[in-house]
Amino acid sequence: AQRVTQPEKLLSVFKGAPVELKCNYSYSGSPELFWYVQYSRQRLQLLLRHISRESIKGFTADLNKGETSFHLKKPFAQEEDSAMYYCALTGAGKSTFGDGTTLTVKP
Amino acid sequence: EAGVAQSPRYKIIEKRQSVAFWCNPISGHATLYWYQQILGQGPKLLIQFQNNGVVDDSQLPKDRFSAERLKGVDSTLKIQPAKLEDSAVYLCASSLGRVSYEQYFGPGTRLTVT
Repeated sequence: AQRVTQPEKLLSVFKGAPVELKCNYSYSGSPELFWYVQYSRQRLQLLLRHISRESIKGFTADLNKGETSFHLKKPFAQEEDSAMYYCALTGAGKSTFGDGTTLTVKP
Repeated sequence: EAGVAQSPRYKIIEKRQSVAFWCNPISGHATLYWYQQILGQGPKLLIQFQNNGVVDDSQLPKDRFSAERLKGVDSTLKIQPAKLEDSAVYLCASSLGRVSYEQYFGPGTRLTVT
């Protein structure tokens, strides 16, 4: 069975501070990992995926197979980063989402 | 490109009634997903279609939920009869394929069962 755990329901930081949203997963094979974001009154949308190894809106995420983690990081948080963030895993074509972390960036 | 469309956006029904949700995916997307999102939780996959065939429905409560994707395009999800615990947002998503592809989500249908 595959599982995604986001240990923090709520995370609050000040503008300009670094931010890290944690994601741990459980899967016996080679997973595909994603971060999705939902801004206020908008649809859930892809932020980034591990296979692309890209930086989107200043966010990066590194897959650590040893620690089975895929934490999302940004060195300097902005107020517009305030949103709900979901970590997701696709294994053998099946998708599993974490319960999400609400990030609030205070001015 | 047009996004994933869902209707209705909101629905209020009494328990034991039936309800149906409709989804129109992005044109050309072979994979279609239905998720249930209960307040405070992440989306939970109910059923996944590849074209008009079911790939995964292991978490679909088959005694009351059913879904179909005729002609491999639009899809409907039905609940009959509804229970109080079915109150949730029902999300439809589509993607080009099953693996490594971005999922595009619709706006969701908020169902309240009283």
